[in-house]
Amino acid sequence: NAGVTQTPKFQVLKTGQSMTLQCAQDMNHNSMYWYRQDPGMGLRLIYYSASEGTTDKGEVPNGYNVSRLNKREFSLRLESAAPSQTSVYFCASSASGQTYEQYFGPGTRLTVT
Amino acid sequence: GQQVMQIPQYQHVQEGEDFTTYCNSSTTLSNIQWYKQRPGGHPVFLIQLVKSGEVKKQKRLTFQFGEAKKNSSLHITATQTTDVGTYFCSNSGGSNYKLTFGKGTLLTVNP
Repeated sequence: NAGVTQTPKFQVLKTGQSMTLQCAQDMNHNSMYWYRQDPGMGLRLIYYSASEGTTDKGEVPNGYNVSRLNKREFSLRLESAAPSQTSVYFCASSASGQTYEQYFGPGTRLTVT
Repeated sequence: GQQVMQIPQYQHVQEGEDFTTYCNSSTTLSNIQWYKQRPGGHPVFLIQLVKSGEVKKQKRLTFQFGEAKKNSSLHITATQTTDVGTYFCSNSGGSNYKLTFGKGTLLTVNP
C-alpha cells in the first residue's frame, strides 16, 4: 500500500517548456487534489476532482490544466512554464463524505528558470 | 472554506517548553482540521474538530475548537525535537471536498 505517489520528485524547466506532473493513489479514494506550496503562503489549491470524470478550479488555476485519467490517477499539466510557477507541488486524495482527512504525496519540487 | 489567520507565524522553544498555535476566523467555521508538515516533508493529517467547544487529545497534543466556532488551538506540552515542523489548520467551509489552509506556524525546538 503506497498511498499517494508523485513523479517526478524534482524538475527544472526553462521558461516556455511544458510538462506533466503525475499522481496516483491506491486507497480507492474518490477525490483528488493538486496544491502548490510557496514560502509563507501555505497550501493553495490549484484544481481538484471530486470524483472520477469531474474536475474543478481551485484558488490558483491559471496556467495549469488537469486530467482525471481514472479513479487512481490525476495529472497536472503546465503548458508553458513561467518562473512564477516555481514551487513545490503536492497531490492529495480523500474519501468522499464527511471526512476531510486528506492524504498527501511526497511532492514535486519544480524550478522554472 | 473560509480564510483563517494562524498565529504566530514562527515559534522557537527550548525542548521541554510548551507550545501553542492559534487559528482564528472572522466567521463561524463548520469544522477545523490540523496538519503537521516536517521540514522537507509533506502535510500529515492530525485531527478534525467539528463541535463547538470540542477538545481532543493525542498524547502531548491538545486540540480545541472554540465555543463560537471561530477559533481553534493546538497545544503541545513539553515539546520534543520530534515536534519540529509547520502546523497548519484548515477548514472546508460549505464545500464537501475543498479545504482552505492557513499559512501555518513553524515550530523549531532547541535541544
